[in-house]
Amino acid sequence: NAGVTQTPKFRILKIGQSMTLQCTQDMNHNYMYWYRQDPGMGLKLIYYSVGAGITDKGEVPNGYNVSRSTTEDFPLRLELAAPSQTSVYFCASSYSTIGNSPLHFGNGTRLTVT
Amino acid sequence: AQSVTQLDSQVPVFEEAPVELRCNYSSSVSVYLFWYVQYPNQGLQLLLKYLSGSTLVKGINGFEAEFNKSQTSFHLRKPSVHISDTAEYFCAVSPPGGATNKLIFGTGTLLAVQP
Repeated sequence: NAGVTQTPKFRILKIGQSMTLQCTQDMNHNYMYWYRQDPGMGLKLIYYSVGAGITDKGEVPNGYNVSRSTTEDFPLRLELAAPSQTSVYFCASSYSTIGNSPLHFGNGTRLTVT
Repeated sequence: AQSVTQLDSQVPVFEEAPVELRCNYSSSVSVYLFWYVQYPNQGLQLLLKYLSGSTLVKGINGFEAEFNKSQTSFHLRKPSVHISDTAEYFCAVSPPGGATNKLIFGTGTLLAVQP
């Protein structure tokens, strides 16, 4: 099994550009998440989804959008990139709620906005 | 609201020595507690979790953690570390039932094992 796959691995954006971070999972998990990881700050939840067609905001949603049209895919969209969005982005999935099943993480996308 | 504090940003230790990584949480309600490990250039993986019951929880790779409600702590321990344990370790908390489906992560502790 591939698990959770994120593309691209690295990306450099100019201020004001837009891009989509791709995330796909092949485990038939209902729950999917996007986190960002900043040095010394731990991971912060951006958005999450409990199933196809259902998304909700996390702690730091501003500047991002998501959609969940299929169980497998959960893309994260940056519309107007800003330097504050320079970070490592992790997509994760789980079969059930957090207490009942672990999060499975992708290997991350390292984004630099200059 | 829940929060997690990992006071040590980095813990250097020699190979085969014991180690303890500290985690304290604040919450007015009972919580679920987790330790995740992140190896270089990888995503996080679950090491162990406490939901209820026995306060001593055993995880993968010889790690264990003890839930202490009175001290609101969930410290991670290993009696003898290996070079391969070098990684960043994150403590995390979630309200019971995972109703919000949200994990609150600490800032992480880098375990640096030296030969």
